[in-house]
Amino acid sequence: EIVMTQSPGNLSVSPGERATLSCRASQSVSNNLAWYQQKPGQAPRLLIYGASTRATAVPARFSGSGSGTEFTLSISNLQSEDYGVYYCQQYTNWLPLTFGGGTKVEIK
Amino acid sequence: EVQLVESGGGLVKPGRSLRLSCTGSGFSFDDYTMSWFRQAPGKGLEWVGFIRIRAYGGTTECAASVKGRFSISRDDSKSIAYLQMNSLRTDDTAVYYCSRDQDKHSWTPSAGGYWGQGTLVTVSS
Repeated sequence: EIVMTQSPGNLSVSPGERATLSCRASQSVSNNLAWYQQKPGQAPRLLIYGASTRATAVPARFSGSGSGTEFTLSISNLQSEDYGVYYCQQYTNWLPLTFGGGTKVEIK
Repeated sequence: EVQLVESGGGLVKPGRSLRLSCTGSGFSFDDYTMSWFRQAPGKGLEWVGFIRIRAYGGTTECAASVKGRFSISRDDSKSIAYLQMNSLRTDDTAVYYCSRDQDKHSWTPSAGGYWGQGTLVTVSS
């Protein structure tokens, strides 16, 4: 099983600033890495797939980078609506598909 | 507009069964692998299983934690994916989500491009 580790666990950022979220895989997942945003009481929303491709209708302030075992999600010019828990997920090894534990982003 | 709607959740006693449905609309259902995920209260996301398209035999894979108890099927004529849950345990309590693959005609699951709103399953005596 590929273990996904996210850091930090919590992040408090002021509007207009940049948030940087990290995700590390226990072995290479190539670029088969997705990022999701989940707000309380809602389903996850796909933000990034293929490590760096924005999903449909995702604002350009969200960007993903990395390959292999180290990945980053950056949110520039943070907006008030960007709060929530962000999860990374690998889909290189689908037995099982695995998620990181999440990073909770709070807007100051 | 792509939509996924889960149904069938509820309160069930340990050892009993439940079948969840995921109805898709706004896309060609038979072109996509469909997956099930779950989220226990206050916890993170967990993959449950997926079913490939008919062109790939409609084969399924499930997580070790549910293998032998849960099964996945699909009825493309109705645009529905099912999650049959047998021998339910208290640790199966979660919100269950279905998801459509991001990529069409993919043999391996890709990112979860679209998700339903989820349905709560509570296993308790």
